[in-house]
Amino acid sequence: GAGVSQSPSNKVTEKGKDVELRCDPISGHTALYWYRQSLGQGLEFLIYFQGNSAPDKSGLPSDRFSAERTGGSVSTLTIQRTQQEDSAVYLCASSFDPKAWEQFFGPGTRLTVL
Amino acid sequence: GQQVMQIPQYQHVQEGEDFTTYCNSSTTLSNIQWYKQRPGGHPVFLIQLVKSGEVKKQKRLTFQFGEAKKNSSLHITATQTTDVGTYFCAGFQTGANNLFFGTGTRLTVIP
Repeated sequence: GAGVSQSPSNKVTEKGKDVELRCDPISGHTALYWYRQSLGQGLEFLIYFQGNSAPDKSGLPSDRFSAERTGGSVSTLTIQRTQQEDSAVYLCASSFDPKAWEQFFGPGTRLTVL
Repeated sequence: GQQVMQIPQYQHVQEGEDFTTYCNSSTTLSNIQWYKQRPGGHPVFLIQLVKSGEVKKQKRLTFQFGEAKKNSSLHITATQTTDVGTYFCAGFQTGANNLFFGTGTRLTVIP
């Protein structure tokens, strides 16, 4: 079956512009995660959804970052007034159950802020 | 707060040599997972350990979960060039909802 998909695969934007990143999780997966990975670095947790609710937003770096999930499926991560330090690969992952199951990662969106 | 550290950060080995990466958590973990990320790719799940002292094997890979459930290790026997990538451990802190990923160990295998 289809895996986790993300769009766009690459996004180049100018400093100060807003961007929206999309994640389509695997059908039936209730848990959805967003991570950020800077070049050569580890995974930085951003936010976690269980269904449509986000019980853990602790990883969002600033109030310029927000995320929503609708219908227990698609999620969008929005970054307002982008800064150069926002440049990174944004990875989405989903899992059947948040605690006991593996996370399936999407291919990521590479964001470059000029 | 929760921290999961991995050592070493980088490891270069000759093909055929063994490799081990160690994962240490500042708090007790309910379970631990290991992921592999090939260069330019995304993390892919390898295995999950749940029980204290658990040992699991996948061909040349051996995974261990410490007795105190605060550390774990991944050992690769006789590395191959296909083992190249970054290996991440990730654990759930008891009561938490998100995986805390380790800092990763980047493995280079020299043919």
